[in-house]
Amino acid sequence: GQQVMQIPQYQHVQEGEDFTTYCNSSTTLSNIQWYKQRPGGHPVFLIQLVKSGEVKKQKRLTFQFGEAKKNSSLHITATQTTDVGTYFCAGPESNFGNEKLTFGTGTRLTIIP
Amino acid sequence: DTGVSQDPRHKITKRGQNVTFRCDPISEHNRLYWYRQTLGQGPEFLTYFQNEAQLEKSRLLSDRFSAERPKGSFSTLEIQRTEQGDSAMYLCASGQRVNYGYTFGSGTRLTVV
Repeated sequence: GQQVMQIPQYQHVQEGEDFTTYCNSSTTLSNIQWYKQRPGGHPVFLIQLVKSGEVKKQKRLTFQFGEAKKNSSLHITATQTTDVGTYFCAGPESNFGNEKLTFGTGTRLTIIP
Repeated sequence: DTGVSQDPRHKITKRGQNVTFRCDPISEHNRLYWYRQTLGQGPEFLTYFQNEAQLEKSRLLSDRFSAERPKGSFSTLEIQRTEQGDSAMYLCASGQRVNYGYTFGSGTRLTVV
């Protein structure tokens, strides 16, 4: 079945430093979605990327979808304590009519004040 | 509150007991999903409903698991003869469009002792 991996598994940064997480799928994706889960919380949808090579920005967050539509990245500029949490990418499985999302392994971000 | 509601938030049960969880999706969403999340992992797909029809089930959903969505509104997830390996966070999510971001509930944390 489809596998979605993320690196790194953990990232500790000083407040104000940048952060990047990378997502790789074993199969080509029709789209990639990103979610954020705060400690003790539930996943919250951030964004969806659909087109090959697409780049989207949300304030300090920049999301990219690879040309081959098998990888993606999330970059946070000048991290703040509110960015703490685990960031998951997720891709739909075409064998399930795109209704089943396979989530990545997640990157847990901690901020050192 | 127009979000996804799950009840109970926490459930501690003895091994071998049956448990039932409830999910109330966002009213205008016709799609409802159940996911399971263990510590340090991303959510894993369990099953999916479109209106009242259960369209997909993961192989993770053994014969001890059953889900229903009567009348296409709320959904229940029942686990019979619970095992310690069932301990996890059970997340419900709803969506309005295929292949777009889900809204997750706060989850039900199950502990089997």
